[in-house]
Amino acid sequence: DTEVTQTPKHLVMGMTNKKSLKCEQHMGHRAMYWYKQKAKKPPELMFVYSYEKLSINESVPSRFSPECPNSSLLNLHLHALQPEDSALYLCASSQVGLAAGRKETQYFGPGTRLLVL
Amino acid sequence: AQKVTQAQTEISVVEKEDVTLDCVYETRDTTYYLFWYKQPPSGELVFLIRRNSFDEQNEISGRYSWNFQKSTSSFNFTITASQVVDSAVYFCALGNAGNMLTFGGGTRLMVKP
Repeated sequence: DTEVTQTPKHLVMGMTNKKSLKCEQHMGHRAMYWYKQKAKKPPELMFVYSYEKLSINESVPSRFSPECPNSSLLNLHLHALQPEDSALYLCASSQVGLAAGRKETQYFGPGTRLLVL
Repeated sequence: AQKVTQAQTEISVVEKEDVTLDCVYETRDTTYYLFWYKQPPSGELVFLIRRNSFDEQNEISGRYSWNFQKSTSSFNFTITASQVVDSAVYFCALGNAGNMLTFGGGTRLMVKP
């Protein structure tokens, strides 16, 4: 089973709203990722969690706040977003390499299409 | 710095034609990983294949085949006898030891009936 689930599938929010995106996996993966994908562009990495700790933040604005409550869940809290933040937000998970240099395959969820008005 | 180039932004073929998607990569790492993902209109990135830098063996899976050549830094993907369901955006990606993926710009494949 290589399933990563994301909710909601679609989200429309105003610039003053607070909302959250959720991601869940039950593959026992200990690394989870948030990506942002604009139309006709490749995904761009936002955050990486490894063993429930934030390991990479790709200089993402503070209006995006990630949270990893446990090894299966990953949230992305949104506050005071701008229209240019409208995009597809993808969650992914992977094993964490047991040896230096080992890269594990990332499995992606279906994404949340976000529209900021 | 790592870089992945997919020179073909869009390809259009008629069903049952064979099609090859090109991927050229740049890296200074001696150990790296190459991936292909498929993104249908629904949005989900579907993992297709992973290749390790020390394994240049080509692979075939049904109608899909991959040709990895370190000498030319290429990892090309061929679909034999294409079908309408193959229509999607295909991404080639390069991974390093730090759990980071560098994606190419993607190739939009349109298979017409």
